[in-house]
Parts: sequence; C-alpha cells; structure tokens
Amino acid sequence: DQQVKQNSPSLSVQEGRISILNCDYTNSMFDYFLWYKKYPAEGPTFLISISSIKDKNEDGRFTVFLNKSAKHLSLHIVPSQPGDSAVYFCAAISTHSNFGNEKLTFGTGTRLTIIP
Amino acid sequence: ETGVTQTPRHLVMGMTNKKSLKCEQHLGHNAMYWYKQSAKKPLELMFVYNFKEQTENNSVPSRFSPECPNSSHLFLHLHTLQPEDSALYLCASSQDFREFDNIQYFGAGTRLSVL
Repeated sequence: DQQVKQNSPSLSVQEGRISILNCDYTNSMFDYFLWYKKYPAEGPTFLISISSIKDKNEDGRFTVFLNKSAKHLSLHIVPSQPGDSAVYFCAAISTHSNFGNEKLTFGTGTRLTIIP
Repeated sequence: ETGVTQTPRHLVMGMTNKKSLKCEQHLGHNAMYWYKQSAKKPLELMFVYNFKEQTENNSVPSRFSPECPNSSHLFLHLHTLQPEDSALYLCASSQDFREFDNIQYFGAGTRLSVL
C-alpha cells in the first residue's frame, strides 16, 4: 500500500514556463513533507520542505503548496530551466512517530524534462 | 571531501559471493540510513542507525547485515544474495532523526547486480 503517490511518471515543460509536480498522500499522520531532486548517477538531493502548519513555502524559483484537506502537495518551478531536468521525489514524515522522524516515506518519482 | 560517499559505485556479484558496501559521511551527522531502490518502486528504508545504535530494521532479510562502527561510517554486508536483490542501494545521513525537520542527505548509491 503506497502511502505517497506521484501519479505522473514523467512531465515535459518548455523552458521558461511553469513546471508543476504533484504528490498525493493517504496517511493523515504525515505532517512534514519534502521534495528531493535526483540527477542520473547521483543520489537524491534535498530541495524544499513544508510543515503541515503551513500551506505554502517558497525558496527562489521553487514553491511547495500543501492542501491538507485534499492530502495533496505540489511543487511549482518557475521559470523552468534546462538544469531542472531530473527526477523529483516527494517524501513525507510523521513527526508523531514513537521512535523519531527517521521514516521518510517516498513516492516513486516524476521525471521532469525541460525542453529548450 | 564533503557529503556522503559510497563505494563501490557499481558491483556485480554471484549468489554465493560475500561483499560489502561502504558509506562514509563528512557532515558531522549522527544518523545514517540504508535504502534500496528497485526499478519503478519508491525508495525503501532498510536500516537506521542513530548515534551508532540500530533503531530500525525494516523487515530486511538476514542476507543483508549492516554495521555501524562509528557515526561517520556505515557498511552493508551482503551474502548469498538473490537476483531480485539487484537494485540501487543508497546511503543517507542526517543530523539526528529526533529533529523535527529530519532532512536526509544521500550518497550517489551503489548499483548492485546479482547474477
């Protein structure tokens, strides 16, 4: 049972336009969410995060939106650049875990291709 | 050298071999993790160590044996693996998983092929 879902395996966007990557979750205990970016032959790198007490977090060209009632979050990249071409993973934590916040639950990823 | 370093980057082994994956972090973190990434599947958490103590064993078969001699080094010892164990094995570290924003930093991974 996949608790974090990224239903779009791939997405192509024209350079300069907005890229929107979506993520849905089913576990209502998740209260902290992260996006990771992965280039080929490299490990995932942390991009941006959001706590469930917020509905938006912005860092430069990257903005994450959280809709708790819909259990949905999205990552907006604007303007999109060729260097943004990568696989993007959504991940979630329940900070109420008995043992700590070690359990990052990941989605399967969305491959974003920026077309020059 | 900075970050999280994994060696080897690629490994091919037979089912009767014994090999080890190595991970080293230079970030001063106290928590280290092993993940498995199979094709078209989410990253699966295998093991967690916090301050050298194993805190999580996510129902991983005993043919995978982790070792954490200190907070900077993590090993994954492999023996009598199966072809379905072929995957990308990722190591990660974080400051302390008891922190609210447990941001994990990943190595580049070891691509393992079991013949």
